[in-house]
Amino acid sequence: GNSVTQMEGPVTLSEEAFLTINCTYTATGYPSLFWYVQYPGEGLQLLLKATKADDKGSNKGFEATYRKETTSFHLEKGSVQVSDSAVYFCALAKMDSNYQLIWGAGTKLIIKP
Amino acid sequence: NAGVTQTPKFQVLKTGQSMTLQCAQDMNHNSMYWYRQDPGMGLRLIYYSASEGTTDKGEVPNGYNVSRLNKREFSLRLESAAPSQTSVYFCATSQDRGSYGYTFGSGTRLTVV
Repeated sequence: GNSVTQMEGPVTLSEEAFLTINCTYTATGYPSLFWYVQYPGEGLQLLLKATKADDKGSNKGFEATYRKETTSFHLEKGSVQVSDSAVYFCALAKMDSNYQLIWGAGTKLIIKP
Repeated sequence: NAGVTQTPKFQVLKTGQSMTLQCAQDMNHNSMYWYRQDPGMGLRLIYYSASEGTTDKGEVPNGYNVSRLNKREFSLRLESAAPSQTSVYFCATSQDRGSYGYTFGSGTRLTVV
């Protein structure tokens, strides 16, 4: 079946460090892939998405590339800020499952000044 | 502001009490979803409505009922609350059944004592 696996957190970094949060998926065909962010006490917000292989999603300095050969969609940012502290969720959606999202467990990111 | 509005934001219930969580959207999206979020378990789909007039069970529907009142509103009802239903509940909407991602409300934090 379809599944999403994220690296366990929390991930703790210093401000201006390079960030990578790993996400791999299992699915047949060509799912759409998403990263969502949840700030403390808030709902989830769509951060970026990619709908086909080799697509790169980007937003607010974050990037992720849809790698079909490695079934991965790792989230990266070159220089993190304290305000990036949040929980990050990777998710996939497939047309044949009515586009219901399959969610990763979430990775908590803590940025220290 | 356009978006997804959930009420109430917080609620404490006694075991056996009933309540309805309300969700309203002004984004003109066709699909609406109810999720629960529990620590360490990520997001789990309770019910969804692909379009006005239809509802379907998700991953964890037991103990819940839903009503898609019109295109804007999708309510979640707990008929007889149990402590296991203590959670944060999120409503989400999507256009085209989620291929472009979901928009989430800010959540309802429910405690059942």
